[in-house]
This record gives sequence, structure tokens and C-alpha cells, in this order.
Amino acid sequence: DTGVSQDPRHKITKRGQNVTFRCDPISEHNRLYWYRQTLGQGPEFLTYFQNEAQLEKSRLLSDRFSAERPKGSFSTLEIQRTEQGDSAMYLCASSLLGTGIFGPGTRLTVT
Amino acid sequence: EDQVTQSPEALRLQEGESSSLNCSYTVSGLRGLFWYRQDPGKGPEFLFTLYSAGEEKEKERLKATLTKKESFLHITAPKPEDSATYLCAVQASAGGTSYGKLTFGQGTILTVHP
Repeated sequence: DTGVSQDPRHKITKRGQNVTFRCDPISEHNRLYWYRQTLGQGPEFLTYFQNEAQLEKSRLLSDRFSAERPKGSFSTLEIQRTEQGDSAMYLCASSLLGTGIFGPGTRLTVT
Repeated sequence: EDQVTQSPEALRLQEGESSSLNCSYTVSGLRGLFWYRQDPGKGPEFLFTLYSAGEEKEKERLKATLTKKESFLHITAPKPEDSATYLCAVQASAGGTSYGKLTFGQGTILTVHP
């Protein structure tokens, strides 16, 4: 296992389209997090899974965003009806206890 | 609400010129303070976790320290390859249960010139 992987690495989409990102965590890690990072800012928490249960969602996460983690393994983050303000780096992190290991991120550009 | 403020926003150093980055925080019960390094277009890379005031950790030219209100990342004799954005984050304990989410500062962009 070489770490957290994310797919795709880059996504360009037109406003109004739906997009889905995938995160494969480190296999023994039961905690999985999604963050969003815009230029010049630190990552911002979006949502958290422990195994397959989604235990926390940021109040900033609009209804257009949905995340799943079936069977407690990989996770998907879907954005419906994308807007230009959704353009950002979407980061996934996994952990067993406290320290989160981040993936390389998916860069989303909404035109 | 947990808050993290990093200063300066950007720091330019000459190779070998030591300096420090600051991370000030307010949190409802600190479970851990984290430092990450982030290169352009990549995900954050874990450096250190500090758990209690007075704790220090070192890794090569980097040393992180923690007080009850702030943390410092000291860089001794930096090299150009130390150029990156350094992120500070806090993890809070809430009612004895921590989901482990991190609250990040905006980062300090470090540039080390040869």
C-alpha cells in the first residue's frame, strides 16, 4: 500500500454539470476525511467517515455535495450542478488514530 | 469556534538564514497541533504532532514547539529544498469524543533563495 490515492487528479467541467471524485485510503485506516482547499488558503473540512458511517458534515457543505463510503473502503464525493465557486482542490485524508495522511488531491476547475 | 492564524503569510530567506514561523490558535480543548508541508499542486505532507505545552519535536532542520496559545516552527540553516507552504492545524476534543477533523491556518509560504 503506497498511501492515499485520489482519482482523477484533474477535472475540468462546465457549470451545471455533475462531477464525482474517488478516494482510496490506506487499507487499515478506518477514518476518512474530505477537505476543500482554495488558492492561498488552508484546507477546509467537509465531511468525515468512520468505517462506512458518515459521522460529521460541515455546515458549509451545501445540499449539492454528497459523499459515500460503501463497505468502509473507498469513498466518493459528488458535486451536483457545479458552480464556478466550486473550483478548488479536493483533498482526501485517512487515519487510524490522530494523524491524517493526505492524498494528492483532485483539482476541479468549473468553467 | 476553533481558529488558527499563521504568520507571516510569506517569508523569504537566504540559504542558511534561520527563522521561525508562528501559529496562534484558539480551540475548545486541544487534542493535538499538527504541522504539514505542502508543495505546489500536491497534498499536505505530515511533519509533526504536538500534544501538550512545552513539547518539542525535531526533524532534520525543522523544530516545532508548543505553548498554550501558539506553536512555532523553527527552521535552522534552511536550504532551497525547504521552500514550500507550511500549514498548521489543530484537532479539538469535544465532549471526550474527537472525530479527528483538523482546523487549518492559511499557511506560510516559505521561499529559500540559494
